[in-house]
Amino acid sequence: AQSVSQHNHHVILSEAASLELGCNYSYGGTVNLFWYVQYPGQHLQLLLKYFSGDPLVKGIKGFEAEFIKSKFSFNLRKPSVQWSDTAEYFCAASEPRTSGTYKYIFGTGTRLKVLA
Amino acid sequence: DTGVSQDPRHKITKRGQNVTFRCDPISEHNRLYWYRQTLGQGPEFLTYFQNEAQLEKSRLLSDRFSAERPKGSFSTLEIQRTEQGDSAMYLCASSLSPSQFFGPGTRLTVL
Repeated sequence: AQSVSQHNHHVILSEAASLELGCNYSYGGTVNLFWYVQYPGQHLQLLLKYFSGDPLVKGIKGFEAEFIKSKFSFNLRKPSVQWSDTAEYFCAASEPRTSGTYKYIFGTGTRLKVLA
Repeated sequence: DTGVSQDPRHKITKRGQNVTFRCDPISEHNRLYWYRQTLGQGPEFLTYFQNEAQLEKSRLLSDRFSAERPKGSFSTLEIQRTEQGDSAMYLCASSLSPSQFFGPGTRLTVL
């Protein structure tokens, strides 16, 4: 079955530490991959996306993610986190349907806390 | 504000009552999605529309749930005979491309 796995449920880091959040997906064919962020009290916002091309994608706020097809992974990274990055991060995958629409599957999320 | 909007933001109801939520997507987006999110979980797909056509429904969507998008613009999600297990955040998202944009959600509490 199609699924998205996020293995880190809670991560605590100090400011300036480097971040890597894992995401693995199970899809057989063409897949689009996303990272969303949800800051406390706010709605889900798109951080970055991968459709095709360069497997290293850069998003907003200094985040980047690398698509590694052989590992079915799309890990999120940031070289130096800030207190304001405290949020919940969701990885998502979608596959195109014959109807022309997309069905999305989300991971369970990783709650990141950055200590000042 | 030209983002996705949802109404109400919070709803408290008694078990057995019916509730209806509304979602207004970004105006040019032809695709609209409903999700349910509970604590500690990511959004779970419920259903989606392309224009006014409901193209897929999840097995999570029991017969008590119904969604409409009558004119291909706003959408409603109705839950009949609510149960305590329906307590969750109900999210709406819209898209024109593979990227979805989410609304703030409606938090439902069933007492």
